[in-house]
Amino acid sequence: QKEVEQDPGPLSVPEGAIVSLNCTYSNSAFQYFMWYRQYSRKGPELLMYTYSSGNKEDGRFTAQVDKSSKYISLFIRDSQPSDSATYLCAMSAGSQGGSEKLVFGKGTKLTVNP
Amino acid sequence: GAVVSQHPSRVICKSGTSVKIECRSLDFQATTMFWYRQFPKQSLMLMATSNEGSKATYEQGVEKDKFLINHASLTLSTLTVTSAHPEDSSFYICSVKGSLGETQYFGPGTRLLVL
Repeated sequence: QKEVEQDPGPLSVPEGAIVSLNCTYSNSAFQYFMWYRQYSRKGPELLMYTYSSGNKEDGRFTAQVDKSSKYISLFIRDSQPSDSATYLCAMSAGSQGGSEKLVFGKGTKLTVNP
Repeated sequence: GAVVSQHPSRVICKSGTSVKIECRSLDFQATTMFWYRQFPKQSLMLMATSNEGSKATYEQGVEKDKFLINHASLTLSTLTVTSAHPEDSSFYICSVKGSLGETQYFGPGTRLLVL
């Protein structure tokens, strides 16, 4: 079993739809959870950062972490064509937890159609 | 978040030559910098971790003599691909992390093509 599993998609939705992206993980030491957005031929851009379990909202984006289920989600409301990109989940145990390295999912390619 | 730049953004070189890629943290004290490689349609693969003033720690399977990393200051790290070969063609991305927090901020990447 891979440390982080993410459905690579591709995922295609109409403009205005609610998008749900998910990752599961196996390492219970992970405490820091991030979502990055990567446009083609660009570096990843940090979207959301969550520590431990809980929800976090920023504009149209909501990140959820359920450590008991080892499951994290990113929701995008009122999706726009400009949201079309690859979304990467990433997580780490942290420097105090044994490793500051980020472990990435494979990324989900999202297309929002006008 | 931190603003990270990379130079050059794209480089084409002949097989056997060496290429240096710079990663700069423009507004952030980067105590730790990471170098990743990304092949088409794949996720990021960590190559090495470097702390300012220390030797880099390489991931398993990454040749430290081929991929030379220098992290001389809190704002600059360089990756030198020595004696590059076509199989080294890839997208190289750096990231930075401060002493507080676990978030990594990524540069825009450098596309290397070795002919």
